[in-house]
Amino acid sequence: GESVGLHLPTLSVQEGDNSIINCAYSNSASDYFIWYKQESGKGPQFIIDIRSNMDKRQGQRVTVLLNKTVKHLSLQIAATQPGDSAVYFCAENRSGGSNYKLTFGKGTLLTVNP
Amino acid sequence: DTGVSQDPRHKITKRGQNVTFRCDPISEHNRLYWYRQTLGQGPEFLTYFQNEAQLEKSRLLSDRFSAERPKGSFSTLEIQRTEQGDSAMYLCASSDSSGSHEQYFGPGTRLTVT
Repeated sequence: GESVGLHLPTLSVQEGDNSIINCAYSNSASDYFIWYKQESGKGPQFIIDIRSNMDKRQGQRVTVLLNKTVKHLSLQIAATQPGDSAVYFCAENRSGGSNYKLTFGKGTLLTVNP
Repeated sequence: DTGVSQDPRHKITKRGQNVTFRCDPISEHNRLYWYRQTLGQGPEFLTYFQNEAQLEKSRLLSDRFSAERPKGSFSTLEIQRTEQGDSAMYLCASSDSSGSHEQYFGPGTRLTVT
């Protein structure tokens, strides 16, 4: 079946270190892959996305890498800060037709230690 | 407009009662989505509106669930004869029709069925 999943449920890093969160997907038909951050008691917040025809995209302190050969997606956070502590979800989106619904994975809890 | 708002933020109800949640999307957004999120899981798609038209419903949305968006602005999600399994966070998201797939999420309504 179609799914978006994560390799690790938790990740603990020291403040200032780089963080890497991984995600595997199974649906080759996805057009976009998106990373969301969810803090406790809040809704998911968009971080960065990448189109399926790209390999890499950079934002502010974040980089997303897409490896279509092995259907793997990763989020790299540079110089991780305590405010980065949250659950991170990867999601896929297929923009065919009129529905842009997101399919989420289970999430990775990132804890940043001061 | 500061973002997507949802009301109430928390709802505790007894099994068998009906509940209704409201979502106010970002004002210029014509697409509106409802998701459900249980503890430790990613959000799951429930239904989608484009303007006032409900274009897709997930199989997760049983006959006890109904959603409306009568004027293409705010939306309501009603659950009739609530069951303990309905306990979850109900998230609303909206997006515009620019072709971007970025969805903006509200803070959610946490439902507890006792």
